[in-house]
Amino acid sequence: AQSVTQLGSHVSVSEGALVLLRCNYSSSVPPYLFWYVQYPNQGLQLLLKYTSAATLVKGINGFEAEFKKSETSFHLTKPSAHMSDAAEYFCAVSDPGNTGKLIFGQGTTLQVKP
Amino acid sequence: DTAVSQTPKYLVTQMGNDKSIKCEQNLGHDTMYWYKQDSKKFLKIMFSYNNKELIINETVPNRFSPKSPDKAHLNLHINSLELGDSAVYFCASSQQTGTYNEQFFGPGTRLTVL
Repeated sequence: AQSVTQLGSHVSVSEGALVLLRCNYSSSVPPYLFWYVQYPNQGLQLLLKYTSAATLVKGINGFEAEFKKSETSFHLTKPSAHMSDAAEYFCAVSDPGNTGKLIFGQGTTLQVKP
Repeated sequence: DTAVSQTPKYLVTQMGNDKSIKCEQNLGHDTMYWYKQDSKKFLKIMFSYNNKELIINETVPNRFSPKSPDKAHLNLHINSLELGDSAVYFCASSQQTGTYNEQFFGPGTRLTVL
């Protein structure tokens, strides 16, 4: 069965510092992986997705993620954090049954300090 | 224009009542979903419909009944509300059912059962 684990429920960085949010997956087949962001009191917005075309995926707002099969990881990074990046971040894997079902990790709250 | 809209945004009600949440998407998508986000922000899929046909029906109490009058609308009716139903409910849509289709989320409905 597919599953996603996000290491670190809270991550705190200073403005301008590197952002690293960790995601490890478990999948019986080549996975499709997603990162979503949830700003306070809003719905989720897609940051980026991995669909096997390229291992380094660039997303919106300067975020990128690298798929590493050997490590079963899909960590999200951004070189320089902005105050506006403070939000909840979710990693998700798509169920292989072609139903569109997303299996989400527990989420990571990103705090950005001035 | 809001792509995926939900009404109401907030819903406060007493235990035992019946309530409905409405969702509409104007993206022309074929597939719609309901997710539940609990107090720890964990997201879990409940249902999905593709062109008015039920595709996913997770282990959800049968007090929850989705209804899709057309492919642009997916409503959620909840009978005999319980305290544990308190959560944020998100509607989402995607162009098609599939493992790599981006899902677009509504703003959420915060349900509080007293």
